[in-house]
Amino acid sequence: EAQVTQNPRYLITVTGKKLTVTCSQNMNHEYMSWYRQDPGLGLRQIYYSMNVEVTDKGDVPEGYKVSRKEKRNFPLILESPSPNQTSLYFCASSNRVGTEAFFGQGTRLTVV
Amino acid sequence: GEDVEQSLFLSVREGDSSVINCTYTDSSSTYLYWYKQEPGAGLQLLTYIFSNMDMKQDQRLTVLLNKKDKHLSLRIADTQTGDSAIYFCAESISNFGNEKLTFGTGTRLTIIP
Repeated sequence: EAQVTQNPRYLITVTGKKLTVTCSQNMNHEYMSWYRQDPGLGLRQIYYSMNVEVTDKGDVPEGYKVSRKEKRNFPLILESPSPNQTSLYFCASSNRVGTEAFFGQGTRLTVV
Repeated sequence: GEDVEQSLFLSVREGDSSVINCTYTDSSSTYLYWYKQEPGAGLQLLTYIFSNMDMKQDQRLTVLLNKKDKHLSLRIADTQTGDSAIYFCAESISNFGNEKLTFGTGTRLTIIP
């Protein structure tokens, strides 16, 4: 079954404690990206990756890092989380322009 | 610049048609999408339309695109309780190799029995 898997689904953490949200896809897609969803703002792109070892900033990259060492995995790293990073995060993958973007189930992060 | 706008709420009686509207500003968008998000779930692609098309129909769903006015709509015929969800309009823009989806704020569709 084609899918994008994120872990964990829910996470509560404290300010400053490093965390990683994992994302894995089994469709051999080249393109992966991270979005955050906030009420009244829709989804905003954080980072994207066009292929292995190729990543770049989206619209709201501050406070986040990513890596793309393998084609299937695209983890999102928060080195020092802050309360304004409390949000719902989605990972997505696709075969580039014009094809369906598959989304993970989301990770609800709360930073206290 | 890129901006996608939708109204936040829509209530429709069961059995009626729902029409969700969206406006966008970037004329270079290649594809326009409608995604559905049910409570606690990720985003599910409902349908999409290429920017050089005017209309696309898929069972109960009809997408209309007015490129001149940069207006996109999603019509759901015979709305059912299972259609209750948040619907996101999104445009796809290819820019220096980045295919970015720019989303609207989402429209929460509520079905009245």
